[in-house]
Amino acid sequence: SQKIEQNSEALNIQEGKTATLTCNYTNYSPAYLQWYRQDPGRGPVFLLLIRENEKEKRKERLKVTFDTTLKQSLFHITASQPADSATYLCALPSASNTGKLIFGQGTTLQVKP
Amino acid sequence: GAVVSQHPSRVICKSGTSVKIECRSLDFQATTMFWYRQFPKQSLMLMATSNEGSKATYEQGVEKDKFLINHASLTLSTLTVTSAHPEDSSFYICSARHRDRGQGMYGYTFGSGTRLTVV
Repeated sequence: SQKIEQNSEALNIQEGKTATLTCNYTNYSPAYLQWYRQDPGRGPVFLLLIRENEKEKRKERLKVTFDTTLKQSLFHITASQPADSATYLCALPSASNTGKLIFGQGTTLQVKP
Repeated sequence: GAVVSQHPSRVICKSGTSVKIECRSLDFQATTMFWYRQFPKQSLMLMATSNEGSKATYEQGVEKDKFLINHASLTLSTLTVTSAHPEDSSFYICSARHRDRGQGMYGYTFGSGTRLTVV
């Protein structure tokens, strides 16, 4: 079955630095991958989608890469700010092609001022 | 942008009672709604998929008689936790699938979640 792994350990970085989060997947070749932000007690908020034929996608201070050979996506936040502190989730479409999204466990980012 | 309104945000109920959670798509028609539950520091686990006008499809291990899902209209889906027990205490989140013209494919918009505590 398809598996998605994110680093479960919290990532602590200093304000202004670049945060890099990793999402690895196995047993699957998804057509796209999504990244979401989730704040405590709130639902996920969509950030970026990257397709299998795209190497990189950018949106303001966010950058996502997608390496289908390594089966890995990297999520970067440049010039990080304390307001970026949250849990970041990667999600893949289900291999069953039913429109379902399967989520990783998320990585919590803490940006210190 | 697409907005999904989920209510209530928090609910405390007594063991044995039922609780209904509503999700409404405010500015689009959601033909498909997904329901997730999330335990502390864990990922979202898909419970069921509901399509407007038809019966919901439940994931393996999810009791359909306990978690009743109704998707009677294109803008409203409800999840009712029946005969709730303390182990049902969790964070429940809905997600509506819609056409994302910008991406040329489906987009997913999530509700703000419902914290259910069963005492």
